[in-house]
Amino acid sequence: SQTIHQWPATLVQPVGSPLSLECTVEGTSNPNLYWYRQAAGRGLQLLFYSVGIGQISSEVPQNLSASRPQDRQFILSSKKLLLSDSGFYLCAWSVRDRDYSPLHFGNGTRLTVT
Amino acid sequence: AQSVTQLGSHVSVSEGALVLLRCNYSSSVPPYLFWYVQYPNQGLQLLLKYTTGATLVKGINGFEAEFKKSETSFHLTKPSAHMSDAAEYFCAVMKGNTGFQKLVFGTGTRLLVSP
Repeated sequence: SQTIHQWPATLVQPVGSPLSLECTVEGTSNPNLYWYRQAAGRGLQLLFYSVGIGQISSEVPQNLSASRPQDRQFILSSKKLLLSDSGFYLCAWSVRDRDYSPLHFGNGTRLTVT
Repeated sequence: AQSVTQLGSHVSVSEGALVLLRCNYSSSVPPYLFWYVQYPNQGLQLLLKYTTGATLVKGINGFEAEFKKSETSFHLTKPSAHMSDAAEYFCAVMKGNTGFQKLVFGTGTRLLVSP
């Protein structure tokens, strides 16, 4: 069966520090991968998605970047965190090239920027 | 553009009462609709989905939803609420084409269940 892992579960970082959140998927190949952010009162916002190694698309301009160095690994990064980067970050995967494949989410990382 | 609207940021019910969470969609093409549940400090779990076929969709944990094209709705129901149903519920519509599709979520409804 497929599983998705995110770490760390919680993170407190000072403004201006770097960030690296990691997500890995097991039990499937060539998945679509996604990073969503859930901020208080703002619902779920898609930040990045990837259809393959090295292929990253950004949904909104921001202080963050994403990379996919391996087929089942997705990394969210920042060089210098802002207070507004605080939130709950969720990684998800879906089956590529299958119509209406639902997204499957990890347990998230709660980031607090102080 | 495809989107969903969830009416009511909070819904309160008593244990054993009917649960009704509302979702309306806006789409110029046949929509593909999903309901997810999120427990505190956890990711989202798929409850059910509607793609084609039967308009009444049954999901996990006793939930079901009915796709009503005439009302552009996809409301989530459960006949009898349990304390364990207390969580946040998200309606979502899928956008895109074969090869890449993404979910656009509503703002969520928090379900509170009292004894």
